Amino acid sequence: AQKVTQAQTEISVVEKEDVTLDCVYETRDTTYYLFWYKQPPSGELVFLIRRNSFDEQNEISGRYSWNFQKSTSSFNFTITASQVVDSAVYFCALGPGRGGGSNYKLTFGKGTLLTVNP
Amino acid sequence: NAGVTQTPKFQVLKTGQSMTLQCAQDMNHEYMSWYRQDPGMGLRLIHYSVGAGITDQGEVPNGYNVSRSTTEDFPLRLLSAAPSQTSVYFCASSYFSRENTEAFFGQGTRLTVV
Repeated sequence: AQKVTQAQTEISVVEKEDVTLDCVYETRDTTYYLFWYKQPPSGELVFLIRRNSFDEQNEISGRYSWNFQKSTSSFNFTITASQVVDSAVYFCALGPGRGGGSNYKLTFGKGTLLTVNP
Repeated sequence: NAGVTQTPKFQVLKTGQSMTLQCAQDMNHEYMSWYRQDPGMGLRLIHYSVGAGITDQGEVPNGYNVSRSTTEDFPLRLLSAAPSQTSVYFCASSYFSRENTEAFFGQGTRLTVV
């Protein structure tokens, strides 16, 4: 069975602080994908990143960075110099590298509510 | 390119009423799915489809019906709405393969059943 755990339910930081959102996953698949989505107060799900299980290289996009460690089954997300506009719920999700049987789905963590205070 | 179009954005129903949430995608994805989002629960899969004419149940299918007559459309039907179905609903259009996997979501529907 696939499982995604986001242990941090809520995080509150002050603007300009760095913050890391944790994501731990479980899967028996040898090929899989990991995702992060942002859900701002307006409610839509905004795609942030997709990572293939074969690619453990960390990625940086502006103030955002992702640390994928297969050895610890983690895919953590760091926001550097946080801003008020980063306030949102962030979801980590796990998807199959190929479809088959009942595997055509994303498995989501329960999300982390990030509040960035001015 | 519209991506995933989901309507309506908001809906209030009375207990026992029926309604259909519409979802359409223009990316020619084979896989489409419906999720519901409840506080503290993340997103849970209701129903999914792997192609036109093929649907299957997810984690929380009770009280919902789906059909997939075309690749583009995947409506979700509530036959007799219950307060427990008050939630935010998301439609997703996905592509799964070893070389690439992507998933795009509609804008969401906030449904309240009174």
